[in-house]
Amino acid sequence: DAKTTQPPSMDCAEGRAANLPCNHSTISGNEYVYWYRQIHSQGPQYIIHGLKNNETNEMASLIITEDRKSSTLILPHATLRDTAVYYCIGEDMGRRALTFGSGTRLQVQP
Amino acid sequence: DGGITQSPKYLFRKEGQNVTLSCEQNLNHDAMYWYRQDPGQGLRLIYYSQIVNDFQKGDIAEGYSVSREKKESFPLTVTSAQKNPTAFYLCASSTQIGNTIYFGEGSWLTVV
Repeated sequence: DAKTTQPPSMDCAEGRAANLPCNHSTISGNEYVYWYRQIHSQGPQYIIHGLKNNETNEMASLIITEDRKSSTLILPHATLRDTAVYYCIGEDMGRRALTFGSGTRLQVQP
Repeated sequence: DGGITQSPKYLFRKEGQNVTLSCEQNLNHDAMYWYRQDPGQGLRLIYYSQIVNDFQKGDIAEGYSVSREKKESFPLTVTSAQKNPTAFYLCASSTQIGNTIYFGEGSWLTVV
C-alpha cells in the first residue's frame, strides 16, 4: 500500500490559493491518490482523486507529478470555511480500503 | 435524501458494558467500513465489508465485532475487551470495495 507524507500544518490567507503537498513515493502504478478533508467533529468529505492525469472539479484541482511520487491539492480561492484537516491517501490495493494518516491541518487566515 | 446515518451521535457507557453503534446507508452501496478516530489523530480502520454476510478485520479489530446481515446495515459492537473504547467512530460506504468512500457524521462514544 502507498504510504503518504504530509506536513502537519499550513496557513493560507483568505482569497489566496492553498497548495497542499503530499509525498507518496511508494505508490504503485495502479493505485489512486485520494484527497479528503475533515472539519472538526464531522465525517471526512471526499474532495478529489486521480491516477496519473491532473484532475479538477468544483472543489479543487489535483496535480500529480509525472513519476507519481507526489501530488498537490490546490484550493484556488481559499475561504474561512476551508479550514480543516486535509488527508492525502494512497489506495491500498491489497486490502482495497483507504488508510488515513494524520493529514495537514490547514488554517485559512482572514 | 440518500446518505449514511449513524446513531446515536453521542453515547455514554460504563466500563465493562458492550455497546452497539448503528450505521445505515440508503445509497445501495455494497461495501461498508468502520473507522476509529482519537483526538488529534487520523482514522484507523476497524472492520470492512465488501458484501452482505462478509467482513474482514482492519488494523485495530481487537475488542470489536461487526455483522452484515443486510446490505443497508453494518452495526459495530464495542465489547468490554476493547481497552480504550472512548473515541469518535466513523462509518463509511462505497459502491464497491476500492471505490470512493463516503462517510457518515460519526458517533462519539465515551466510556466512564
